[in-house]
Amino acid sequence: NAGVTQTPKFQVLKTGQSMTLQCAQDMNHNSMYWYRQDPGMGLRLIYYSASEGTTDKGEVPNGYNVSRLNKREFSLRLESAAPSQTSVYFCASSAAHEQYFGPGTRLTVT
Amino acid sequence: DQQVKQNSPSLSVQEGRISILNCDYTNSMFDYFLWYKKYPAEGPTFLISISSIKDKNEDGRFTVFLNKSAKHLSLHIVPSQPGDSAVYFCAARSINTDKLIFGTGTRLQVFP
Repeated sequence: NAGVTQTPKFQVLKTGQSMTLQCAQDMNHNSMYWYRQDPGMGLRLIYYSASEGTTDKGEVPNGYNVSRLNKREFSLRLESAAPSQTSVYFCASSAAHEQYFGPGTRLTVT
Repeated sequence: DQQVKQNSPSLSVQEGRISILNCDYTNSMFDYFLWYKKYPAEGPTFLISISSIKDKNEDGRFTVFLNKSAKHLSLHIVPSQPGDSAVYFCAARSINTDKLIFGTGTRLQVFP
């Protein structure tokens, strides 16, 4: 039982490049989330998915897209990376009020 | 407008003493409050929660107190241990949603 896994752990992109962050959970949770964490800002919700086939914007969705591929997987895509997207990205899943987090992806955009 | 606020960015406490971390909120529609602990280079991990219908929840060394009239909650750690050194996030959930709103975090350092 791995919980929530994220790949990659680290990534460096040049401005304008695209990439997809992968997330998977093995807890059979319906809800999944993508957050970003920046110094002094806490965790801010980018997108979430309440169930397979549904996605909704969070607090900071601009510049991102998501796909809920199936119940297990929820990916986050940056189509054209910008330096402002340099951050640590966390995926989470939940069945009730408690959310379980992955280990994070540290992304740097130069 | 930040709905969940942790006004102390850092706290330093001696081992064995009590650590008190504070959190204020503005939204009366929050029905659940949670505390998460985060070590460097790891994801946040759930620590303890409290429903809005309660005013106290205890789990071992950790106790969360909720004062709804003041829109304030606190996390007490007694006794504090060096392994408790981490960033602590307060979070709140609105009624009928699965979304959490997080505070900015408090870095706790427990020194010997």
